[in-house]
Amino acid sequence: DVVMTQSPLSLPVILGQPASMSCRSSQGLVYSDGNTYLNWFQQRPGQSPRRLIYKVSNRDSGVPDRFSGSGSGTDFTLKISRVEAEDVGVYYCMQGTLWPYTFGQGTKLEIK
Amino acid sequence: EVQLVESGGGLIQPGGSLRLSCAASGFTVSNKNMAWVRQAPGKGLEWVSIIYISGGTNYADSVKGRFTFSRDNSKNTLYLQMNSLRAEDTAIYYCARDVNLGVWGQGTTVTVSS
Repeated sequence: DVVMTQSPLSLPVILGQPASMSCRSSQGLVYSDGNTYLNWFQQRPGQSPRRLIYKVSNRDSGVPDRFSGSGSGTDFTLKISRVEAEDVGVYYCMQGTLWPYTFGQGTKLEIK
Repeated sequence: EVQLVESGGGLIQPGGSLRLSCAASGFTVSNKNMAWVRQAPGKGLEWVSIIYISGGTNYADSVKGRFTFSRDNSKNTLYLQMNSLRAEDTAIYYCARDVNLGVWGQGTTVTVSS
């Protein structure tokens, strides 16, 4: 199975400051169609998860442009340019390239 | 509007069975790959199963042989039949659209306990 390792597990951030979190896969995620199916999800407290980013760097509709995804190979990053109070929650990366598809363990973002 | 609504969760004894439903609106389930993902209390997200457009399915090792994912195209509804339930199956079960989980339902809670 592809293991997804996220860091840090806890991320305290001051409002208005940037935040960055990492996701590393145990093997490359390029699918046979040439796409890399690496996604990022946000789960606010008490809510269902919501996808923010798909195929490494594509923002979903309605996602603020302060969120950005990047990376290639086995190393991927989610960045928030200026953290807002509504960004509090847990962020998960997930690979949809190889079954079983797998999630990282999550990075919990909190306001410092 | 694209929407997924899960139902069927509840309290069930170990060894029992339960069938979850996921009613879709705003799109046709037979035209999409569809997924079940679960989240144990206080834990992260875990893939359970996927049904592809072809009708083929895949299951996590932890549920293989016990869970069955199916769909009723006439009702635009998905089902997860869960048999031989164990305490470790206790979780919120989410229905989601596509391999890359672009749309999620609100979830339904399954508690396996005596």
